[in-house]
Formats: sequence, structure tokens, C-alpha cells
Amino acid sequence: GEDVEQSLFLSVREGDSSVINCTYTDSSSTYLYWYKQEPGAGLQLLTYIFSNMDMKQDQRLTVLLNKKDKHLSLRIADTQTGDSAIYFCAESYMDSNYQLIWGAGTKLIIKP
Amino acid sequence: ETGVTQSPTHLIKTRGQQVTLRCSSQSGHNTVSWYQQALGQGPQFIFQYYREEENGRGNFPPRFSGLQFPNYSSELNVNALELDDSALYLCASSLWGRRAGDEQYFGPGTRLTVT
Repeated sequence: GEDVEQSLFLSVREGDSSVINCTYTDSSSTYLYWYKQEPGAGLQLLTYIFSNMDMKQDQRLTVLLNKKDKHLSLRIADTQTGDSAIYFCAESYMDSNYQLIWGAGTKLIIKP
Repeated sequence: ETGVTQSPTHLIKTRGQQVTLRCSSQSGHNTVSWYQQALGQGPQFIFQYYREEENGRGNFPPRFSGLQFPNYSSELNVNALELDDSALYLCASSLWGRRAGDEQYFGPGTRLTVT
């Protein structure tokens, strides 16, 4: 079955690290993605990880993948006010012609 | 290189009416996908077009239909609008055969409100 789940909200203090979590159920997933959506803007791809990887780092972003538990996380170091947005986890797999299956999104709230 | 554009930005329709939404793909892209994003939800895949034919469809009824034109621009048509059709409609362009996510570019969306 296809189901991607995320917590709806995360509140962190400016300068702290944010960790956004996601669980998925389809073990045949090939790629897992993190997207950012700001009000009035389109979806912006932040990073992605191939399912045979455990970790990927890109500047302030670190993605961790636990295939055994089907758990994906996005860590944002030194969270800034500009990071306020909704973050979506998505998966795709070859059998679906790489169609994206999305979570409901986690709204990241930054406290001063 | 131009990005993905969508029109109109906002639209208000009455239940039972029909609506057409438009999308211009990023230059060089030959595949377009449409998504529906209800308020507070993640996007839901509607369908994908390649070579002017539908290639893959999500769990949406036949009153959702589309077209892709030779210049790779696309339309999403929805007939007999229902209140639950109120959502942000996103189109995304890509190159056929590539991984969906890292090479799929999204437009800003059309906000449809059905009253």
C-alpha cells in the first residue's frame, strides 16, 4: 500500500536544529524527496535520497533514511525565519512510473 | 529558460460549471503532470501526459480530463464541478523517463474555489 505520514506541526527556536520526520509504507520506493512550500509559491525540491542510501547531506540539510523502519527524516541546521514553510515528504517508485506519493506536510514554525 | 507557468492564478466557479486550467511547461520538457492539493493536504496525483496522451492516472473520476498540445503546454478540464473540487491545482513538467522528483518542476498553481 502507499501511504506517507508526517506530523502536522513542528515548532523550533531560531538557531536550533529542526528535525522533520516521515514514515512510508511502500518498500519498493526508489526515491524519497523533501519539498518546501511557502505561501503563494510553488513546490520547491529541497533534496532527495535514493533508497539504497542511508544519509545525504547538502549544506544545512541532512536526510536520514532507515529502510528497516521505513522512516525518513530531514534535519535543518541553524534554523532561520526564512525556513518557515510547509515541508512535504514524497516517495516514488518505478512501477508507478515514478509518480509522486505525498505526505500531508509538516508546518515548521520558528520562534524568535 | 522559462519556468513552469499556470493560469489563471485564482478562479471562482459555481457548482455544476466547467473549468479549464492552463499550464506552460518548462522549456525542453515533454511531460506534464497535474496534481490537486486540498487545503491542509499534500498534493494528489491526477494524471500525466506525454506525447499528447494520458500516461497514468490517479484516483480521479472521468470528469477530470486533460490535453497536451504539440508545444507541450497543457490543460486540465473539470466538468460538473463539485464543492470538494475546491483546491490548489499544480502542474509539473519534466522529461519523460526521468526520475519524477529531482527533475520535475512545479508551477505556482491555480487556486480554484467552487461555491
